Amino acid sequence: SQQGEEDPQALSIQEGENATMNCSYKTSINNLQWYRQNSGRGLVHLILIRSNEREKHSGRLRVTLDTSKKSSSLLITASRAADTASYFCAAYNTNAGKSTFGDGTTLTVKP
Amino acid sequence: NAGVTQTPKFQVLKTGQSMTLQCAQDMNHNSMYWYRQDPGMGLRLIYYSASEGTTDKGEVPNGYNVSRLNKREFSLRLESAAPSQTSVYFCASSANRAPDTQYFGPGTRLTVL
Repeated sequence: SQQGEEDPQALSIQEGENATMNCSYKTSINNLQWYRQNSGRGLVHLILIRSNEREKHSGRLRVTLDTSKKSSSLLITASRAADTASYFCAAYNTNAGKSTFGDGTTLTVKP
Repeated sequence: NAGVTQTPKFQVLKTGQSMTLQCAQDMNHNSMYWYRQDPGMGLRLIYYSASEGTTDKGEVPNGYNVSRLNKREFSLRLESAAPSQTSVYFCASSANRAPDTQYFGPGTRLTVL
């Protein structure tokens, strides 16, 4: 199965609410990245968190990493309709030497 | 600065036909990647090139070949297309091999009938 697996598969919220997505992985990682994909477009990098970091912020994004639980979460605060997209985690597997993407969480923010 | 460009944007093939998907980047990146994305799923790595002159298999290489033509260009070839290869194909590049940030092209939507 995929190195990164997101949960939930789909999330629908109202504008202004917070959205939390989770990612679990199976093997040791060097870092974990989150990407956004708008419908019909390529992926855009959002944030990278290294294995020795526990939390990272970028604007309205907050990412946490718990290596003991092999999981990460992406929090989007004060969501906007423009945040509607699919969000993917990509876990960099140290042994394999490459990143593996999860199946994504589809976020819908209703105005 | 166009970033990563892919051609064509859309393609319809019949089973058994061949075609080459083109990818180019203008960011002077060393590493390039080809992924496929099936509906409702994440990306699966087909092939990657850590640097000019090298290519390596990813998770799903069967039925595909690649060529790293030079530092800028990385092409993906389907020798004998099959319906199972219907997918959206993304090319990406990064300054160096993963775990560097990858920059993605807009994708090629391929349908094999």
